[in-house]
Amino acid sequence: EIVLTQSPGTLSLSPGERATLSCRASQSVSSTFLAWYQQKPGQAPRLLISGASRRAAGIPDRFSGSASGTDFTLTISRLEPEDFAVYYCQQNGGSFWTFGQGTKVEVK
Amino acid sequence: QVQLVESGGGLVKPGGSLSLSCVASGFAFTDYYMSWIRQAPGQGLEWISYISSNGHTIYYSDSVKGRFTISRDNAKSSLYLQMVSLRAEDTAVYYCAFASIGYCRSAGCEGAPDYWGQGTLVTVSS
Repeated sequence: EIVLTQSPGTLSLSPGERATLSCRASQSVSSTFLAWYQQKPGQAPRLLISGASRRAAGIPDRFSGSASGTDFTLTISRLEPEDFAVYYCQQNGGSFWTFGQGTKVEVK
Repeated sequence: QVQLVESGGGLVKPGGSLSLSCVASGFAFTDYYMSWIRQAPGQGLEWISYISSNGHTIYYSDSVKGRFTISRDNAKSSLYLQMVSLRAEDTAVYYCAFASIGYCRSAGCEGAPDYWGQGTLVTVSS
């Protein structure tokens, strides 16, 4: 099983600041199959990024994703009030999918 | 528009059974693989199963294998999850989801789910 480890667990930032979220895989993951989701309380997750760097439909360009080996990064260039939420990475290639444990982005 | 509506959740005793349904509309259900993903209260997301469009490719997570059965009825645009031998740790919101860009091979299904239902809560407690 591929384990995805997200860091930090919580990120305390102010609106307008830049957020950098990390997701590290325990073994090789094709960038094609790495996704990022946003979840707000009481809501279903929303797909932000697939293929490590491809924004889903309707996702603002302040969200970007990148990959380097087994390290994946989600960057929010300037936090808007609606961006404070929990973010999950996911690998969806092969037989078994896994999610990271999540990073909460909270208002400082 | 795309809609996924789960139902069938509720309170069940440990060792009991429950069956969940997900009715799909607004897209060609027969063309897409479907998945179930759950979230325990206050916890993260956990993938539990998916099924290919023709039902021939099915995988389960180790945590539910042998106890849960995924199936689909393409004529009814419906996805199902039959759960038996339920445990307290199965308590969660259960989401159905699918990827509008994805594919299945015998080795598995790939692609990030971009459409999710609102979820149905399953509580396993005595």
